Amino acid sequence: GAGVSQTPSNKVTEKGKYVELRCDPISGHTALYWYRQSLGQGPEFLIYFQGTGAADDSGLPNDRFFAVRPEGSVSTLKIQRTERGDSAVYLCASGLADSTDTQYFGPGTRLTVL
Amino acid sequence: GNSVTQMEGPVTLSEEAFLTINCTYTATGYPSLFWYVQYPGEGLQLLLKATKADDKGSNKGFEATYRKETTSFHLEKGSVQVSDSAVYFCALQGDSSYKLIFGSGTRLLVRP
Repeated sequence: GAGVSQTPSNKVTEKGKYVELRCDPISGHTALYWYRQSLGQGPEFLIYFQGTGAADDSGLPNDRFFAVRPEGSVSTLKIQRTERGDSAVYLCASGLADSTDTQYFGPGTRLTVL
Repeated sequence: GNSVTQMEGPVTLSEEAFLTINCTYTATGYPSLFWYVQYPGEGLQLLLKATKADDKGSNKGFEATYRKETTSFHLEKGSVQVSDSAVYFCALQGDSSYKLIFGSGTRLLVRP
């Protein structure tokens, strides 16, 4: 079946611009996660959704970052006033209702802020 | 807090060589432990996992044993192939938690 998909695969933007990154989880998965992977590092947790609500957003680095999941399926990560330090690969993962189940990762969106 | 430390790469081996990638962790309670693999141009894939002490995870010829006494989860494979070339990430998930905490990754390059 279809895995987690993320669009766009690459995004280049200028400092100060607004960007949106989209994640389509595996059908039927109620848990959804966003991670950020900087060059040469492992992914770092940003936010976790269970259904429509953000159960934990403690990993969001500051208030320029925001994520939504209005219908409990697709999620959008929004970054305002982008900075060069936001450049990274943004990964989305989804899982079954039990939050300790395996997380299935998408291919990621590579964000470059010039 | 919880953390994962894994050996720095790159690790370069010849085909059919024995592989060990070291991983140690710091965590309270009884975390679950994972190895994820990232092949070139692809997303992270779960390779294997272990959820309690002395469990052995295995998949595709890779193995790792959850050692609580040494807080380790080293990845091993008896005979690597060129197709195993990838970046390997060790990760933990704390008790009743959902966050995965990753190590920094180890790049493996297998030469024919």
